[in-house]
Amino acid sequence: RKEVEQDPGPFNVPEGATVAFNCTYSNSASQSFFWYRQDCRKEPKLLMSVYSSGNEDGRFTAQLNRASQYISLLIRDSKLSDSATYLCVVNYRGGSYIPTFGRGTSLIVHP
Amino acid sequence: DADVTQTPRNRITKTGKRIMLECSQTKGHDRMYWYRQDPGLGLRLIYYSFDVKDINKGEISDGYSVSRQAQAKFSLSLESAIPNQTALYFCATSDTLAGGDEQFFGPGTRLTVL
Repeated sequence: RKEVEQDPGPFNVPEGATVAFNCTYSNSASQSFFWYRQDCRKEPKLLMSVYSSGNEDGRFTAQLNRASQYISLLIRDSKLSDSATYLCVVNYRGGSYIPTFGRGTSLIVHP
Repeated sequence: DADVTQTPRNRITKTGKRIMLECSQTKGHDRMYWYRQDPGLGLRLIYYSFDVKDINKGEISDGYSVSRQAQAKFSLSLESAIPNQTALYFCATSDTLAGGDEQFFGPGTRLTVL
């Protein structure tokens, strides 16, 4: 079982829709959490960090639920330009401190 | 100019050939990583280095080797390429002083082994 699990999708939504992705992780020692965005055939780029108190950046909201070991990403008022793959990343601070990537969730926003 | 560069950007080679992929960074970061990405499998860590004298195997290091020639340079070698090493390869960096969390990726190298 992979340590970081994501629904691969694709999520196919119309412009203006609200869409949410979840990501579950298996290692309770996980300390830091992130969402990256990856456009087709491009490199991943940091979208936002995920804090215990949750955080919001414009139309994007990320939340962490440590008890249930999942993080979420909510996108409101979807734009065509939001079409991409969203990667969940978990860091373990128990030694080597190496980030672990989920396989990504594909989002397609259509007119 | 890009902070993390990879060369070559595309490479087609034959089974059994030795291939080197190079990564350079101008960010001054101490940590560097090599990943491969395959459709449906996400990013998988091949090797990582926390400084010039530190090299560590990742999840899928078999068939690969690395060299950290300087803080700014981290090369990945395929000693004898095989077709299942066909993939998109990414180099990444992060900064211990900044917590080591956020990674910055190069543009990727698309490798095809025939």
